[in-house]
Amino acid sequence: GAVVSQHPSRVICKSGTSVKIECRSLDFQATTMFWYRQFPKQSLMLMATSNEGSKATYEQGVEKDKFLINHASLTLSTLTVTSAHPEDSSFYICSARVGLRNSPLHFGNGTRLTVT
Amino acid sequence: DQQVKQNSPSLSVQEGRISILNCDYTNSMFDYFLWYKKYPAEGPTFLISISSIKDKNEDGRFTVFLNKSAKHLSLHIVPSQPGDSAVYFCAASGGVDSSYKLIFGSGTRLLVRP
Repeated sequence: GAVVSQHPSRVICKSGTSVKIECRSLDFQATTMFWYRQFPKQSLMLMATSNEGSKATYEQGVEKDKFLINHASLTLSTLTVTSAHPEDSSFYICSARVGLRNSPLHFGNGTRLTVT
Repeated sequence: DQQVKQNSPSLSVQEGRISILNCDYTNSMFDYFLWYKKYPAEGPTFLISISSIKDKNEDGRFTVFLNKSAKHLSLHIVPSQPGDSAVYFCAASGGVDSSYKLIFGSGTRLLVRP
């Protein structure tokens, strides 16, 4: 089946530093990837839609200068949390779709970010 | 504005019995619905989906029912097994947004007691 690999699985960084999270589709090409975040005991909130070769589309309330998304190839999207603060600590999950429109999203295993 | 709602944060059932998880949505443009299972510190795993042209889809022990007039869907697990214990999210997509992004409910934590 479709495999989405996310790295790193866990990262701890100091306030003010930047962190890059990678999301790869291992056995399929993904023109579109989606980045979600989840706070403890809450739902998965869509942050942005990552489009290969073009700018990401951010959801309302998500700072595009804070969360930089780059989708340089059909198998790789990256999310960079810039100048991280403790309130950015969360579980970040990427996903991708194999087929067109109405088909399931396949998720990576997530990245637990802790900003101290 | 929550477009997808799961009003029961938790559910506990006995092994072998039926588990019924419910989900309501408000956006009438949604035309594709999914259920995901999630363990802590892992990404969600796809379980089953249903298109709005159907009212039922079955896959082994999992059945999803869709009631478009009520904007309601449910996931039935029968028989329930202890390994089914996890958080279940319903999700929906559709409408004018061509990216077909998924909007998730808040999740229901299922506990299947041995």
